[in-house]
Amino acid sequence: EVRLVDSGGGLVKPGRSLTLSCTASGFSFADYAMSWIRQAPGKGLEWVGVIRGRGYGGTTEYLESLRDRFTISRDDSKNIVYLQMNSLKTEDTAVYFCTRVWNYYMDVWGKGTTVTVS
Amino acid sequence: EIVLTQSPATLSLSPGERATLSCRASQSVNRYLVWYQQKPGQAPRLLISDVSNRAAGIPARFSGSGSGTDFTLTISALDPEDVAIYYCQQRGNWPLTFGGGTKVEIK
Repeated sequence: EVRLVDSGGGLVKPGRSLTLSCTASGFSFADYAMSWIRQAPGKGLEWVGVIRGRGYGGTTEYLESLRDRFTISRDDSKNIVYLQMNSLKTEDTAVYFCTRVWNYYMDVWGKGTTVTVS
Repeated sequence: EIVLTQSPATLSLSPGERATLSCRASQSVNRYLVWYQQKPGQAPRLLISDVSNRAAGIPARFSGSGSGTDFTLTISALDPEDVAIYYCQQRGNWPLTFGGGTKVEIK
């Protein structure tokens, strides 16, 4: 079974850092791009960024407004993708979803982890 | 950035009725348009990729059409389990963007 388990969310003060993790199973993780999507309370979906698979060098793309503060990385030996978030702001409060990416659409989603900046 | 505008914001229909959801792009995305379904309290799930390709396990009552800037998601006969918010997403340009969503309710 293809599965993504997001974790690491919590309550954090403005200006602090937090790192989210997503553990994948059931597929050849290293071959897939992975993305983070966030959803503020009562709002729609917002793409955060993507990290490509080993065939594309693990390169990254980000939403421009987040590029200076957010970093996506991956550990293919552990099947984990990370989202490091620095200088957090109250507007970063959201549920963060880890997703598997196929042709730059999200074909598998984790259940999400909640980040509250307050 | 490509802006996706979804309409209507809310659609309220009776079971068995046809639901038509619209997604309009600010510039052409060719056929790189995807639909997701998010049921209350759940993560989104892939519904349709590249305009009209249903994902695995998606019932045949869901269909998609369109190209360029105008796209439609149709639910041929609404089932109570279809209550959800439906989002479109374009994958043709960076950054990837989503529409604001259409909420489908049962009358």
